[in-house]
Amino acid sequence: AQSVTQPDIHITVSEGASLELRCNYSYGATPYLFWYVQSPGQGLQLLLKYFSGDTLVQGIKGFEAEFKRSQSSFNLRKPSVHWSDAAEYFCAVGDPGGSYIPTFGRGTSLIVHP
Amino acid sequence: GAVVSQHPSRVICKSGTSVKIECRSLDFQATTMFWYRQFPKQSLMLMATSNEGSKATYEQGVEKDKFLINHASLTLSTLTVTSAHPEDSSFYICSARDTNDSEAFFGQGTRLTVV
Repeated sequence: AQSVTQPDIHITVSEGASLELRCNYSYGATPYLFWYVQSPGQGLQLLLKYFSGDTLVQGIKGFEAEFKRSQSSFNLRKPSVHWSDAAEYFCAVGDPGGSYIPTFGRGTSLIVHP
Repeated sequence: GAVVSQHPSRVICKSGTSVKIECRSLDFQATTMFWYRQFPKQSLMLMATSNEGSKATYEQGVEKDKFLINHASLTLSTLTVTSAHPEDSSFYICSARDTNDSEAFFGQGTRLTVV
């Protein structure tokens, strides 16, 4: 079965600093990989996704993520964080060989200091 | 991207009553819809998967008689929490996808409070 690990429950950064949120997955082959953002009391918004091809994926709001097969990782990065980026971030993995049902990590809460 | 609308965004109900949550795909046909439950500061836990015109497939541990899911059309799925109890209070989120796209789009969620 597929699984996702987000090792950091909270991450605190200063506005303008760079950001990296970690995500590791467990799956027998190359899965579909996603990053979602959730603002308080809201649903999920897709930031970016990886299905195949270029392992560096560009997303919305200046985010990018890199798929590293050797490390089973799909870390999310942003070069300069804005206060509005404070939210909960979820990494998810989907099974491309099955019916695709995303499995979510537990989430990482991003706190941005002014 | 495609839009999934969930209604209501917040609902408060009394113990023992039932409450219905709607999930609509506004600009695409959602052959499959997913219902999730999210506890505070927790991840999303898949409750069930529903395909239009078929019975929903529930995840292990989810009571299908308590959480009734109907997916009668390609644009609407409903989740009814029957005989609600305070422990059913949670954030419920739906997502939907069409047959030709492996990406699922999420609704904005429903905050259910049972008093």
